[in-house]
Amino acid sequence: QIQLVQSGPELKKPGESVKISCKASGYTFTDYAMNWVKQAPGNGLKWMGWINTQTGKPTYADDFKQRFVFSLETSASTAYLQINNLNIEDTATYFCTRGFITTVVTLFDYWGQGVMVTVSS
Amino acid sequence: DIQMTQSPASLSASLGETVTIQCRASEDIYSGLAWYQQKPGKSPQLLIYGASSLQDGVPSRFSGSGSGTQYSLKISSMQTEDEGVYFCQQGLKYPYTFGAGTKLELK
Repeated sequence: QIQLVQSGPELKKPGESVKISCKASGYTFTDYAMNWVKQAPGNGLKWMGWINTQTGKPTYADDFKQRFVFSLETSASTAYLQINNLNIEDTATYFCTRGFITTVVTLFDYWGQGVMVTVSS
Repeated sequence: DIQMTQSPASLSASLGETVTIQCRASEDIYSGLAWYQQKPGKSPQLLIYGASSLQDGVPSRFSGSGSGTQYSLKISSMQTEDEGVYFCQQGLKYPYTFGAGTKLELK
């Protein structure tokens, strides 16, 4: 069955970096894009961007262009999200989610379990 | 950016009751709308895509409708396991955007 398994919770200090992993199984990794979604505590969902799993080219939403890096280890069917220079506002749960395109519309059909990142001094 | 406005923000329903949640886009999204359910501490799950297509494995009491800028999700007979937060999402234009969510509770 299709699964996206993410790494465990992280506790970081402001200014530090964090790298979250998302390992896919049950499908051909390079057939689907990988997207990242942020959910701050008690808040809704915010799309961060996506990475083309065939070319490795990332696309970032405007709010995530400065300190955020999407990357891949294709041989391991794994996507990564790195956040640099963490600040308090980065405290959130981060989900990886498989992007599925129907006609010209993207939706998210499988999700990782989420990684809680807590930034605190 | 396309703004997605959901209503109501919260509601409670009795077992067997019909529930309807609305989602309005700030511009025409040509049925490029999906609905997700999220339970506490869990990841969202896709319910409906293309405004009205039921995702595999989702109970048939869930249905979606709408076009242009106005969409709705209907649960025809509320069940205990339907409690959670429901989000709409447009997948037509960058950045993909979600509604703020509707919290559904059992009365």
